[in-house]
Amino acid sequence: GESVGLHLPTLSVQEGDNSIINCAYSNSASDYFIWYKQESGKGPQFIIDIRSNMDKRQGQRVTVLLNKTVKHLSLQIAATQPGDSAVYFCAEIITPYSGGSNYKLTFGKGTLLTVNP
Amino acid sequence: ETGVTQTPRHLVMGMTNKKSLKCEQHLGHNAMYWYKQSAKKPLELMFVYSLEERVENNSVPSRFSPECPNSSHLFLHLHTLQPEDSALYLCASSQVLDYGYTFGSGTRLTVV
Repeated sequence: GESVGLHLPTLSVQEGDNSIINCAYSNSASDYFIWYKQESGKGPQFIIDIRSNMDKRQGQRVTVLLNKTVKHLSLQIAATQPGDSAVYFCAEIITPYSGGSNYKLTFGKGTLLTVNP
Repeated sequence: ETGVTQTPRHLVMGMTNKKSLKCEQHLGHNAMYWYKQSAKKPLELMFVYSLEERVENNSVPSRFSPECPNSSHLFLHLHTLQPEDSALYLCASSQVLDYGYTFGSGTRLTVV
């Protein structure tokens, strides 16, 4: 079936290194993607989004890359800090502009990022 | 604090109890959502309210009953739950057609 999934359930990096979290999606009709961060004891927080007409989008220390050819999404975190330790989710949606339901934001299972000091 | 407040933070209830989860947002959003988060599973959409009208009921058992009395408040009424219903229940809000949802911190529910 159509789903969003993550390549690695856990990722451990050293403080100061760059982190790359990957996500595969199978629904080629998805036209909008979001990365969320969930810290322990908190709800998911929006990090960055990207539309399917873009290949790359940058935020503060984060970059999202979208490869529609292989249906792959990645989140790059530069100079990873201990405060970046969390579970990261990608989510996809087929927006009404592409014929989808307004509300079907589908989440992946999440990758646990651990930053070692 | 994200602007979406959920109470209680933790709840332990027996299978015959009736309880309610509350969600409140002060962001001026007009859509609200209930999600269920279980261990090792993706976030599962349960219910969606848009402009105070339920627009999505994602095959959720009738022992879960949502209520949205106004655009700022959302409830999830629980009745005769099963142990497998133990999970983190997350509320989120957004503007309609805005997909960058704002989530609350959730209610950790344990059914005994």
